[in-house]
Amino acid sequence: QVQLVESGGGVVQPGRSLRLSCAASGFTFSNYGMHWVRQAPGKGLEWVAVIWNDGSKKYYADSVKGRFTISRDNSKNTLYLQMDSLRAEDTAVYYCARWGGSVNPPLDYWGQGTLVTVSS
Amino acid sequence: DIQMTQSPSSVSASVGDRVTITCRASQGISSWLVWYQQKPGKAPKLLIYAASSLQSGVPSRFSGSGSGTDFTLTISSLQPEDFATYYCQQANSFPLTFGGGTKVEIK
Repeated sequence: QVQLVESGGGVVQPGRSLRLSCAASGFTFSNYGMHWVRQAPGKGLEWVAVIWNDGSKKYYADSVKGRFTISRDNSKNTLYLQMDSLRAEDTAVYYCARWGGSVNPPLDYWGQGTLVTVSS
Repeated sequence: DIQMTQSPSSVSASVGDRVTITCRASQGISSWLVWYQQKPGKAPKLLIYAASSLQSGVPSRFSGSGSGTDFTLTISSLQPEDFATYYCQQANSFPLTFGGGTKVEIK
């Protein structure tokens, strides 16, 4: 079955960096685009970034553009989110999600999330 | 960016009730609308995609409709496991955007 497991979250000071990972299994990872979505405590969902299945295209939310970098290693079935210059407002649970196939697909499988807390 | 507005923000209902949630897009998105269910402390779960297509394994009491800018999610007969927060999301263009959520609570 499809499984996505995030890791790498924790407490970090403002201005520092953190790298999240998402280990995928149960499907052919290299066939699917992948997303990061975050949720601040008690708040709604906010899309962060997407990467195409082959890494050829990437898009970011304005709130993270220039600070976050999405990447993937298809040989390791792993998705990454490099987060630099972190701010207090980046505090959230970060989810990775699979971009389902076909046209304008939904995010059909989600990981359990990893909490990032930015605080001094 | 396309803004997604959900209403109501919360609804109190009883088991067996029919519940309808509305989502409005700030511009036309054809049928590229997705609905998710999220329970406390859990990841969102896909319910409906392309406005009205039921994800495999989702009970048939969930249904979606609409196109253009106005969409609805209907739960025909609310079950205890349906108490959760529901989000719409437009899949028409980047950045992907979500509605603010609708919390379905027990009356």
